[in-house]
Amino acid sequence: NAGVTQTPKFQVLKTGQSMTLQCAQDMNHEYMSWYRQDPGMGLRLIHYSVGAGITDQGEVPNGYNVSRSTTEDFPLRLLSAAPSQTSVYFCASRLDSVYGYTFGSGTRLTVV
Amino acid sequence: SQQGEEDPQALSIQEGENATMNCSYKTSINNLQWYRQNSGRGLVHLILIRSNEREKHSGRLRVTLDTSKKSSSLLITASRAADTASYFCATDGSGNTGKLIFGQGTTLQVKP
Repeated sequence: NAGVTQTPKFQVLKTGQSMTLQCAQDMNHEYMSWYRQDPGMGLRLIHYSVGAGITDQGEVPNGYNVSRSTTEDFPLRLLSAAPSQTSVYFCASRLDSVYGYTFGSGTRLTVV
Repeated sequence: SQQGEEDPQALSIQEGENATMNCSYKTSINNLQWYRQNSGRGLVHLILIRSNEREKHSGRLRVTLDTSKKSSSLLITASRAADTASYFCATDGSGNTGKLIFGQGTTLQVKP
């Protein structure tokens, strides 16, 4: 099992560019989430999914889109990157709500 | 605003001492979870306590939950230098929404 795989690990974008952060898990987990972590802060929930075809907004969804066409994949799209989106992004998955999350190693994104 | 708030924000102790971190939250929960994050890494799930449980143990970890006070504590006994990390509580809201919200974390330094 590879666990939760995030790509890329590092990315630099120019303001206004769009990109997709990839997240894949091979554990057949139903629940997946995207978080961002800013320096010295906790994680803030961007979007989450409780199964294929089902997504919902978290605490800070503006500027981001997600889709969940398969159980394995949960990509996060930045529509028009802004410097305020400079952050470390974590994807996580779990079997259901009575389990803890398994986290990916993160994507460090810089928007200039 | 974030659901879980931790106290203290930072804690420095000597190896062998116990470390206690507290977490308060605002609304009804399904369960509460604790995670550890080593510098620059993803989060690792430590322990989950359900809303109908009052105490749970895992190795050197002891978690308590007081739903009447909307608070939880994490005790690490006989701390080691390797316990140096940030610790986060996270709450799963009632209703099985799948939405896990993190607090801002406690940074623990264990001096050898």
